Amino acid sequence: DAGVTQSPTHLIKTRGQQVTLRCSPKSGHDTVSWYQQALGQGPQFIFQYYEEEERQRGNFPDRFSGHQFPNYSSELNVNALLLGDSALYLCASSLGQLSGELFFGEGSRLTVL
Amino acid sequence: AQTVTQSQPEMSVQEAETVTLSCTYDTSESDYYLFWYKQPPSRQMILVIRQEAYKQQNATENRFSVNFQKAAKSFSLKISDSQLGDAAMYFCAYRSVKGAQKLVFGQGTRLTINP
Repeated sequence: DAGVTQSPTHLIKTRGQQVTLRCSPKSGHDTVSWYQQALGQGPQFIFQYYEEEERQRGNFPDRFSGHQFPNYSSELNVNALLLGDSALYLCASSLGQLSGELFFGEGSRLTVL
Repeated sequence: AQTVTQSQPEMSVQEAETVTLSCTYDTSESDYYLFWYKQPPSRQMILVIRQEAYKQQNATENRFSVNFQKAAKSFSLKISDSQLGDAAMYFCAYRSVKGAQKLVFGQGTRLTINP
C-alpha cells in the first residue's frame, strides 16, 4: 500500500520563477493538505483540498495556489518566487475533510536562489 | 487564533532513560485535538500520539504517554525506555474540531539519544 508520494524531492529555482509541486495521496484518501516548513521551524498550513475545491486556507499570499484532480492527487503552485519561499513543502492526505488521521509525505525541498 | 509553544529547542537523554518534552497551547475553544508528531531525518512526519480534549484520561501508546492538563493548556510527552530510534524532531500540534483539518504546529524539540 503506497503512502503519500511527493515529487520532486529536491529542486532549485531562481527568484521570480514559478514552481509546481505534486502529491499523490495514500490509497483510499480523498483529502490533501499542504504545509510549508522553513528550516528549523514547525510546518505551517497553506491550504486543504477536498472534492477538487480549496476548503480552508492559511495565511499565505495568492502567489500560492493549488489544484486537486479527480483522482485526488494535488498540485501546489508558487508564482513569483521569493528567497523566503525556500522551505520543505509537505503534503498530507486523509480520508474525509473533517476527521481521519493525517498521513504525510517526505516533502519537496525547494531552494530559491 | 490558536498558538502552540514548545519551549525546549533541544533535549537529550541516555538510552533506556525517560524524557519529557513540554508543550503549551493557547485556544478559546473547549473541544479540540492535540498531537505529537515525530520527524526523523527522512523528513516524513509520523504521528506518535493523539489526545482528544474531551477525554480526561491521558493517551498512551506503548512507551509514549502524555500528561494533558486542560486547565493549564499543557500537553507534555513522556518517552520511557528511550531508544536510539527515538532520535528525531518532535512537534506538538493542535487541531480544532471545527472546519478542515488545519494543524497548528509548535517550533519543535530536537531529541538526541545518547548511547
